[in-house]
Amino acid sequence: DSGVTQTPKHLITATGQRVTLRCSPRSGDLSVYWYQQSLDQGLQFLIQYYNGEERAKGNILERFSAQQFPDLHSELNLSSLELGDSALYFCASSVADWGGQGCEQYFGPGTRLTVT
Amino acid sequence: AQKITQTQPGMFVQEKEAVTLDCTYDTSDPSYGLFWYKQPSSGEMIFLIYQGSYDQQNATEGRYSLNFQKARKSANLVISASQLGDSAMYFCATKETSGSRLTFGEGTQLTVNP
Repeated sequence: DSGVTQTPKHLITATGQRVTLRCSPRSGDLSVYWYQQSLDQGLQFLIQYYNGEERAKGNILERFSAQQFPDLHSELNLSSLELGDSALYFCASSVADWGGQGCEQYFGPGTRLTVT
Repeated sequence: AQKITQTQPGMFVQEKEAVTLDCTYDTSDPSYGLFWYKQPSSGEMIFLIYQGSYDQQNATEGRYSLNFQKARKSANLVISASQLGDSAMYFCATKETSGSRLTFGEGTQLTVNP
């Protein structure tokens, strides 16, 4: 158990819908990262927050947004869902967001999203 | 941009033997980190081991060791005394020291045979 929690574990929804994925980082971790894992794209970085502020953006679609709240939990919002958004969405956390000690990212169990 | 190459889509090993999973990387950053993660069939991503580019010694964590050859830009994972529970997908990843994102390779599916 990494200490990172994600809910829900599975989500099945229809095209055009909107969903919210939730993540709670490990106790003491200030950085939260979101990744998408799909068969055709592999593991892709989406976005990172550090202590409530957006720190880095990756291949995140405009239909997707995220935020980190004062209690450090984070939510990833996916809207106008398409079939191609079906994937495993991971949240990860780390103590630091720079290199060296503490930069390793611990992943949650993931949310498997299926868009039908 | 950073790139990770894992050339072995699948590997097989006998229980109790050692196995090496290959990883080469490409980065222009002078300072970076290298990571290995394990993904069992259940789907979770498990952090295994980390190596900093300026670390003098190869990292070890229990049965896992990282064979870091900076000049060759390789960071191979060695698993000693393989166990049936080691059967999983293994991902190599890199991160620039000043950055945030992990860049992953395509993974190697390891199967441990009894």
